[in-house]
Amino acid sequence: QVQLVESGGGVVQPGGSLRLSCAASRFTFSNYGMHWVRQAPGKGLEWVTFIRYDGSNKYYADSVKGRFTISRDNSKNTVYLQLNSLRAEDTAVYYCAACTGWDDAFDIWGQGTMVTVSS
Amino acid sequence: EIVLTQSPGTLSLSPGERGTLSCRASQSLSSSYLAWYQQKPGQAPRLLIYGASIRATGIPDRFSGSGSGTDFTLTISRLEPEDFAVYYCQQYGSSPPKTFGQGTKVEIK
Repeated sequence: QVQLVESGGGVVQPGGSLRLSCAASRFTFSNYGMHWVRQAPGKGLEWVTFIRYDGSNKYYADSVKGRFTISRDNSKNTVYLQLNSLRAEDTAVYYCAACTGWDDAFDIWGQGTMVTVSS
Repeated sequence: EIVLTQSPGTLSLSPGERGTLSCRASQSLSSSYLAWYQQKPGQAPRLLIYGASIRATGIPDRFSGSGSGTDFTLTISRLEPEDFAVYYCQQYGSSPPKTFGQGTKVEIK
């Protein structure tokens, strides 16, 4: 069964930083683009960022541009999300999701990791 | 940015009934880059439909998608107990950002 497993969530103070990881297994990770999507408590889904299968293209939502950075290591089958200058409104469950390309639906989802920004 | 508006916000139905969920886009979606996801409490979303009408792998045929341009529909022909959940539409076209609708909750009447 294909799998994505996120880790790295936790409680952080406003202005702080966190690094999320998403480890893939049982599929050819290096062939897939990867997204991060977040969901604030009791709210809907918000797309955050995308990285192309080879890391050559990245896109960000305006709400996180300049603060969050996506990266990947295909040798480790892992995608990362560096979260800097965190704000209370960044509090959410963060999901990673895989797709075969930028113009494709999100085929595979992880179970999510919770990020809480609070003093 | 393409805005997706889902209706109704909540749909109250009984098992065995037919459910019809709507998603309207603020501008026409090229090549029907429209997907539907199901999310149950405490779980990640699951892809149901992509390309407006193509069922994802393993999705039962009681789920069907239709529409083009700006108006799209997800139909659940006969609700099973496991279908009570929140459903999101999403446009995944060429220009960022990828946007989701606000969701429709299908609840047991």
